[in-house]
Amino acid sequence: GAGVSQTPSNKVTEKGKYVELRCDPISGHTALYWYRQSLGQGPEFLIYFQGTGAADDSGLPNDRFFAVRPEGSVSTLKIQRTERGDSAVYLCASGTYSGELFFGEGSRLTVL
Amino acid sequence: AQSVTQLDSQVPVFEEAPVELRCNYSSSVSVYLFWYVQYPNQGLQLLLKYLSGSTLVKGINGFEAEFNKSQTSFHLRKPSVHISDTAEYFCAVNPNTGNQFYFGTGTSLTVIP
Repeated sequence: GAGVSQTPSNKVTEKGKYVELRCDPISGHTALYWYRQSLGQGPEFLIYFQGTGAADDSGLPNDRFFAVRPEGSVSTLKIQRTERGDSAVYLCASGTYSGELFFGEGSRLTVL
Repeated sequence: AQSVTQLDSQVPVFEEAPVELRCNYSSSVSVYLFWYVQYPNQGLQLLLKYLSGSTLVKGINGFEAEFNKSQTSFHLRKPSVHISDTAEYFCAVNPNTGNQFYFGTGTSLTVIP
């Protein structure tokens, strides 16, 4: 498809488990963002990639969170030793130099 | 530091009435401004954006917004709302010296038949 694709759409896991969330951006978009959205809140910035490198990872809450984009296209957000507070919708967006972001539908993570 | 404030968390309005959703921001640098809409169980979609030029910006679905630099505001308006406009609306700021996008906490618009 032409839009940003995120998988899985829903993920339920147990506390302490490892989780990977995948984002497939729009073809040709060099910028890729990860956001986290909790209930009743706006998207909270996690990390931004320009190409293969993380240009800004200042939003990652702690060292349990890590993201990669090895070939400058697909990105994976990795969460180790999940905690109940990690439960949220994780949004991926890709963009161009015009400043517009195109969002995926998100991956809803529930940590039991 | 940048921040975005959406003053109203919930706005109920009758169908065909006008609506204004307020957004104020703080920034020490010039900014790009955006409004996004999120329908239930869907991703965020761009409604409109201000990058430069005319301060009155028109977007999709009959929405428009006006950039007011002196008041650091970017309020969203629609002269006549429809049931289908019921959604969550987010204001966002991108300081044009960087790549971060800062979002407000959102305004839930409910259109009442």
